[in-house]
Amino acid sequence: AQKVTQAQTEISVVEKEDVTLDCVYETRDTTYYLFWYKQPPSGELVFLIRRNSFDEQNEISGRYSWNFQKSTSSFNFTITASQVVDSAVYFCALRVNTNAGKSTFGDGTTLTVKP
Amino acid sequence: DAGITQSPRHKVTETGTPVTLRCHQTENHRYMYWYRQDPGHGLRLIHYSYGVKDTDKGEVSDGYSVSRSKTEDFLLTLESATSSQTSVYFCAISEVGLWNTEAFFGQGTRLTVV
Repeated sequence: AQKVTQAQTEISVVEKEDVTLDCVYETRDTTYYLFWYKQPPSGELVFLIRRNSFDEQNEISGRYSWNFQKSTSSFNFTITASQVVDSAVYFCALRVNTNAGKSTFGDGTTLTVKP
Repeated sequence: DAGITQSPRHKVTETGTPVTLRCHQTENHRYMYWYRQDPGHGLRLIHYSYGVKDTDKGEVSDGYSVSRSKTEDFLLTLESATSSQTSVYFCAISEVGLWNTEAFFGQGTRLTVV
């Protein structure tokens, strides 16, 4: 069975602060994919990033960066110089090769960025 | 944006009535999923389909049934709605044969059972 844990239920920061959202996963599969999705107040789910289990390179996209560490089963997400528009619920998800593409989601972290 | 349309977007229904939610895709993706989202629970899989007439249960399938008679449509039915089924329902699609793909989500359907 797969499990995704986002221990931070809510985070509040002031604009321009850096913030890291934690994601810890569990799986016995050796091939898997990790995802981050953003859900703004409007409610839609927006794909942010995908990472496969064989690629531990960190990735940076503008103010967003992701740190994947297999040794600790973590896939953390950092927003640098946060902005009010970053306020949203962020979900981490895990998909394994053997599971028909079904994704297991964490419970989400609600990020509030105050001006 | 991926071509996924959920209908209706909002619905209020009475306890005990049947309800059908529709997910329509224009991407010709093989896999379709229904999730429900509740506060504190993230998204939980209800049912999924891996082809026309091929469906299987997810982790919270009790009280729900699905049908997929065409590649583009995946229907979720609540045979007799209960208040515990008040939730936001998301449809998703993916092309799992291409493992480097993410699931694309519909806009969601907010269902209230009174």
